Amino acid sequence: AQSVTQLDSQVPVFEEAPVELRCNYSSSVSVYLFWYVQYPNQGLQLLLKYLSGSTLVKSINGFEAEFNKSQTSFHLRKPSVHISDTAEYFCAVRPLPGNTGKLIFGQGTTLQVKP
Amino acid sequence: NAGVMQNPRHLVRRRGQEARLRCSPMKGHSHVYWYRQLPEEGLKFMVYLQKENIIDESGMPKERFSAEFPKEGPSILRIQQVVRGDSAAYFCASSGTLTDTQYFGPGTRLTVL
Repeated sequence: AQSVTQLDSQVPVFEEAPVELRCNYSSSVSVYLFWYVQYPNQGLQLLLKYLSGSTLVKSINGFEAEFNKSQTSFHLRKPSVHISDTAEYFCAVRPLPGNTGKLIFGQGTTLQVKP
Repeated sequence: NAGVMQNPRHLVRRRGQEARLRCSPMKGHSHVYWYRQLPEEGLKFMVYLQKENIIDESGMPKERFSAEFPKEGPSILRIQQVVRGDSAAYFCASSGTLTDTQYFGPGTRLTVL
């Protein structure tokens, strides 16, 4: 079985400060890793994903995440946040191999960016 | 290029009634997933369907819940005899193949009075 732990339920940060949202997972098989963002009363949007290759993946809006296999982590970082980054962030894994594409989500981290 | 569509966006039901939630996947997508988000929790997988087939329903409650994805038309998540504990946001996602990225709809927020 797989599980995902997001260590912080809420992360308050001032605008233009750096931020790290932590994600650890547990799995006996290989996994794909994802970060999704959810703005209030909206669905989830894919932020970035790690499937294979370079362990550092980046999004178009300045976020990046690094896959660390030994620590089973996939932490999300941004060097300078904006007010518009305020949202709920979900880390998810998809186990491989298998005939189901189900995603297993963490509890979510609320990022609160203050002016 | 429309994304994943879900309707209704908000649904209010009284205990004992039936709730029907609809999901139209992105054009060209034949894989549909349903997830439930309870208040203050992350999303939990419910069921994975392809056209006319249920592939994985390991996350579905054993009773009152059913899902279908017919050859024509949207996928339907049906909850019979709703109870207050069914109040949640229900999200649908679709993908073009099993390994493709899942794209999520805006969700249906079910409130059971």
